[in-house]
Amino acid sequence: DQQVKQNSPSLSVQEGRISILNCDYTNSMFDYFLWYKKYPAEGPTFLISISSIKDKNEDGRFTVFLNKSAKHLSLHIVPSQPGDSAVYFCAASEGERDDKIIFGKGTRLHILP
Amino acid sequence: EPEVTQTPSHQVTQMGQEVILRCVPISNHLYFYWYRQILGQKVEFLVSFYNNEISEKSEIFDDQFSVERPDGSNFTLKIRSTKLEDSAMYFCASSYTVETQYFGPGTRLLVL
Repeated sequence: DQQVKQNSPSLSVQEGRISILNCDYTNSMFDYFLWYKKYPAEGPTFLISISSIKDKNEDGRFTVFLNKSAKHLSLHIVPSQPGDSAVYFCAASEGERDDKIIFGKGTRLHILP
Repeated sequence: EPEVTQTPSHQVTQMGQEVILRCVPISNHLYFYWYRQILGQKVEFLVSFYNNEISEKSEIFDDQFSVERPDGSNFTLKIRSTKLEDSAMYFCASSYTVETQYFGPGTRLLVL
């Protein structure tokens, strides 16, 4: 039962260009969405989040867009930098109702020189 | 910047043995969690802990698992009798509110 789906296992983007990572979800009770970045042999590092009452949240080079009607969110990284090469996990929770985080399988982002 | 720490970084154990994985959450956080990631699979929720008791646990978290916050700073996960399929990366996480959880670096557990 995949409540959070990341359909692209990997993505390659030229340095300096925009990286767009996509995520779909099925549970309409999700209230809070997060993106985590993970390097090998490290834990997931929180990147950015968005509440279901918003459709966009921006933090520096990172912007998350939420389309509730389509149950879709995306993470935009611009401009992409070599240090952005990592696995990106989309995640969601029901917030106050149920705070456990449900993770997608991740997308491996390669930033090409 | 405060961070979640976990010890040990690696643990190798024989099947049937007990293991204790340790975590020190961020000091003012109120909610504590354990997740695991089996190699090649996604990160899965195990248990959440708030106000000195389990608030939720997954199907994975059976009677072989227990959690404890013995001294107000450490948060431990005990597996009483390890099985081969318990081999995974175990992540501790903590949060101040129910929303954003911060993860530790993980303990890689290998059961032989």
